[in-house]
Amino acid sequence: NAGVTQTPKFRILKIGQSMTLQCTQDMNHNYMYWYRQDPGMGLKLIYYSVGAGITDKGEVPNGYNVSRSTTEDFPLRLELAAPSQTSVYFCASITGTLNYGYTFGSGTRLTVV
Amino acid sequence: AQSVTQLDSQVPVFEEAPVELRCNYSSSVSVYLFWYVQYPNQGLQLLLKYLSGSTLVKGINGFEAEFNKSQTSFHLRKPSVHISDTAEYFCAVSSSGSARQLTFGSGTQLTVLP
Repeated sequence: NAGVTQTPKFRILKIGQSMTLQCTQDMNHNYMYWYRQDPGMGLKLIYYSVGAGITDKGEVPNGYNVSRSTTEDFPLRLELAAPSQTSVYFCASITGTLNYGYTFGSGTRLTVV
Repeated sequence: AQSVTQLDSQVPVFEEAPVELRCNYSSSVSVYLFWYVQYPNQGLQLLLKYLSGSTLVKGINGFEAEFNKSQTSFHLRKPSVHISDTAEYFCAVSSSGSARQLTFGSGTQLTVLP
């Protein structure tokens, strides 16, 4: 069982470039989430999805987009990267309940220069 | 709306001493509470959770936490820490009826000193 897999692990972008952070889970989880982690700020929710074809904004969605065409995949798209998007990004998933908590990926460390 | 406050950003403690990491939350509805641990350059790992029932919950690695509804707190404790407990700890809350979203505190860096 791979759990939640995030790629790439590290990336440096130039201002104005675009990229997609990949997230895949093999646990047949319905709910998936994208968080960003900044030092001293904890984790902030960017977008979430409660099933294929259904997505919604979290606390800090500006500058990002998501899609959920399959249960397994939940990619996060950055358009026109800005230095403020320098962060560590975590993808997470759960079944329909919180009984087992979130399963997190290992993160993507993104630097925008 | 829900929020989480972790009162200490850094907690240094000597090995084999007890430790308490404090967490307070605010929510207008019933809550589920969690503690996660993050080791350097890794993702988050669930330590323990409170969903219902007994207010004292035990987790992995000898940690426990007590849910106190009247004080809206969920403090994490360990009676004797080890060097390997050095990590960042996050308290999180989710409200019933939400899309299972977790709201995280800002984290507490626990450093265990020899």
